[in-house]
Order: sequence, then structure tokens, then C-alpha cells
Amino acid sequence: QSALTQPASVSGSPGQSITISCTGTSSDVGGYNYVSWYQQYPGKAPKLMIYEVSNRPSGVSNRFSGSKSGNTASLTISGLQAEDEADYSCSSYTSSNTRVFGTGTKVTVL
Amino acid sequence: QVQLQESGPGLVKPSETLSLTCAVSTYPISSGYYWSWIRQPPGKGLEWIGNIDHSGSTNYNPSLKSRVTISVDTSKNQFSLKLNSVTAADTAMYYCARSAFGSYSDYWGQGTLVTVSS
Repeated sequence: QSALTQPASVSGSPGQSITISCTGTSSDVGGYNYVSWYQQYPGKAPKLMIYEVSNRPSGVSNRFSGSKSGNTASLTISGLQAEDEADYSCSSYTSSNTRVFGTGTKVTVL
Repeated sequence: QVQLQESGPGLVKPSETLSLTCAVSTYPISSGYYWSWIRQPPGKGLEWIGNIDHSGSTNYNPSLKSRVTISVDTSKNQFSLKLNSVTAADTAMYYCARSAFGSYSDYWGQGTLVTVSS
């Protein structure tokens, strides 16, 4: 299975909105509403930010939102803050009853 | 708050078997969910290795399937990973996590770095 495709980096100024894309195929992202997003600081374990495309776990800021169109899922961070600077990865269930992660995106707050 | 803690050797020789255990606290594995292993090579992205449920049913990454075994011990509330015939490419931070079916991982261990080197 191939990793989902994410941009290597995305940047924005404080207060702006940014969107990270996650592109797969009809056998993973496009075929199921089982896309999740993770935030990871250097040297730390990933943290779940979005599950099942657009749901936020308790405690996650509503500045984080998820969506999907066709084979591409997206994570939007609105009102960008310095603390949002981190790596972000998407993940999807696949038709082979496995999971696949994205290539990862580094978010920089300018 | 579910707690997970990985343990095992931090250094494994090439061609040998990597063995890790994940101890789960405050949640009985037998109560449900899937229990996953995920790894991250230095400077690279996350890679799903596989998962297991409380009954022992497993799913593996096709690219690793021939070398991986995940098992569960509900009496000790822990699950384990064995990866055989390791090479330098298996050097990574290894995480264990609780996962919903087919979906997200909501609780993660802190990770344990395994280096493959002679």
C-alpha cells in the first residue's frame, strides 16, 4: 500500500487559515469516512486531532476542522497560532482492512 | 485516561528479531478496541505495522506481513510485537496505540527507539 500524499510543508502567519491536503485513492480515502489527523511535536507521540473525517475529540480546539472531497481529505487550521507549529499526518482505513498514513506535513507559523 | 507503555531492547542486531511489549493501564484490553503498532523512522513519516483485537484477530501491513507477529495477553493486559530478520531500515521509533476499528488511534504510548546495528 502506498502512503497518502501530503505537501511537505505549509506555512502561514498568525491569525491566518491554512489547509493541509491528504490525497489517496478510492480504495482508502475516497472509499471510507475513516480519515483521521494527528499533530506531532518533535520528540513527542502523535496526538489525535480529527477522526472520521470531521469529528474533533474532546479537548481539541475548534480551530481545527476536517473535510473530504473524493479521494482527498483536508485539515484546516483557522486563526493560526504559534503553538500550531508542528508536524501533521493523516491516516485512512483501506479496502484491505489495513491502515495507511500520509507522508506528513510540517506546519510553520511565520 | 488510557495509558500505554512500550518496553524492549533499544538495540537489535541485523538479521535478528525485534521484540517489544506494550503494557496497557486503566483499560482492560478485553473490553474492546484494536491495539496497534506504528513506527516512525528518524526524520520520516508514520508507518502502520498492524493491529490485534482482544480475541487475537490480527491485521498486518502487507509490506511487513511476512516478518511481523502481533500477539495479545489479556491476563497481563499487554500486547506484543515481533519483527524478524531486521535490517537498518527497521530502525525507528516504535509506538503502541489504542485504535478504533479501521479508524483512529486515540491513545498512544510515548514510543521507544529501536536501532538496528551490529
